[in-house]
Amino acid sequence: DGGITQSPKYLFRKEGQNVTLSCEQNLNHDAMYWYRQDPGQGLRLIYYSQIVNDFQKGDIAEGYSVSREKKESFPLTVTSAQKNPTAFYLCASRRGQTGSTDTQYFGPGTRLTVL
Amino acid sequence: SQQGEEDPQALSIQEGENATMNCSYKTSINNLQWYRQNSGRGLVHLILIRSNEREKHSGRLRVTLDTSKKSSSLLITASRAADTASYFCAHNRDMRFGAGTRLTVKP
Repeated sequence: DGGITQSPKYLFRKEGQNVTLSCEQNLNHDAMYWYRQDPGQGLRLIYYSQIVNDFQKGDIAEGYSVSREKKESFPLTVTSAQKNPTAFYLCASRRGQTGSTDTQYFGPGTRLTVL
Repeated sequence: SQQGEEDPQALSIQEGENATMNCSYKTSINNLQWYRQNSGRGLVHLILIRSNEREKHSGRLRVTLDTSKKSSSLLITASRAADTASYFCAHNRDMRFGAGTRLTVKP
């Protein structure tokens, strides 16, 4: 059963704590992406990675960090420097890199609430 | 940024009616994709249209592309209550998304 998994579905953290969101794919895709979505809003790109051990900042990278040590995994850490971290976080992957015709596949999302 | 911008922001129709939503973008593209998001879920790919195509169909979906106007439209025919969702466009160059169109289909 191939796809993208994100865990957990709901996550609660106290203000000032770092938290890591998991994203795993078994689709053998090269590219992976993290988006943030606020209520009633669109998706904003946080970070993306087109190949293992390489990643680039998106539009709202401040307060976030990522790693891409394995092809199938792209964890996102929300640091205490992120001023308003409560949001819905979506991970996606795609077989090809920028400009390809490949479809993005999305995980089910993690809803992070900072108390 | 280079994301597509969808309009209208919200659309409410009756079941059986057609729904049309539009997407405008700022840079040249090689292809454009439409996605759907049910509330609280991830996005699901609907259809891709290449820059050398003007129209594409998939079931009840019809997508058009006008590269001279840098715009695309998504038409859902004979809408159903189950079509209620948000719809987004993105072009493959950078996979950024706009705010989407929130479609409500009333039974």
